[in-house]
Amino acid sequence: TQLLEQSPQFLSIQEGENLTVYCNSSSVFSSLQWYRQEPGEGPVLLVTVVTGGEVKKLKRLTFQFGDARKDSSLHITAAQPGDTGLYLCAENSGGSNYKLTFGKGTLLTVNP
Amino acid sequence: GAVVSQHPSRVICKSGTSVKIECRSLDFQATTMFWYRQFPKQSLMLMATSNEGSKATYEQGVEKDKFLINHASLTLSTLTVTSAHPEDSSFYICSARSRLAGGREQFFGPGTRLTVL
Repeated sequence: TQLLEQSPQFLSIQEGENLTVYCNSSSVFSSLQWYRQEPGEGPVLLVTVVTGGEVKKLKRLTFQFGDARKDSSLHITAAQPGDTGLYLCAENSGGSNYKLTFGKGTLLTVNP
Repeated sequence: GAVVSQHPSRVICKSGTSVKIECRSLDFQATTMFWYRQFPKQSLMLMATSNEGSKATYEQGVEKDKFLINHASLTLSTLTVTSAHPEDSSFYICSARSRLAGGREQFFGPGTRLTVL
């Protein structure tokens, strides 16, 4: 089972600031997904990255997949209180059941 | 989009009782359903994987006799926590994988908060 390291574990910032969270592994990802989870709810898929060097944008969120497909980052520009939540990266094992292995998550708090 | 529901959303029970949680895919057929447990401020930990009509596959360290999973149809899976104890208090989340379009994506339910007194 692949071990996914996420950093930072906790992040508290003011509204309007930029931030980056990271997801790393010692092994190559087949594909990587980023999720956002609000308290008391299930995680919601933000993006899937598959190709090394890939960059995807979702409004103020920019996702990068490392060239070697062993790391990924999520950058948020001009954070808003509505961005508060637990950000999780997950690797799809690609086996017959497509199991997901989650990182430990980054708990983001954006203060007004 | 694909919707997964869970029932109940919250349950409080006494120690020693059993609790059943339902997971339904509302607008698609789910080849596979997954059950996760999440403790406060922590990530999701996969408990088991279930395919319709087959026995569930449990992750290492998860007691199959304590967490009974039944995947009776392509739209319903249930998790029964038997003889629940306070340490079983957690947020239980299910997800479902569609049969369609390669079925790589998992769609998550809203979770069930279990509190055992």
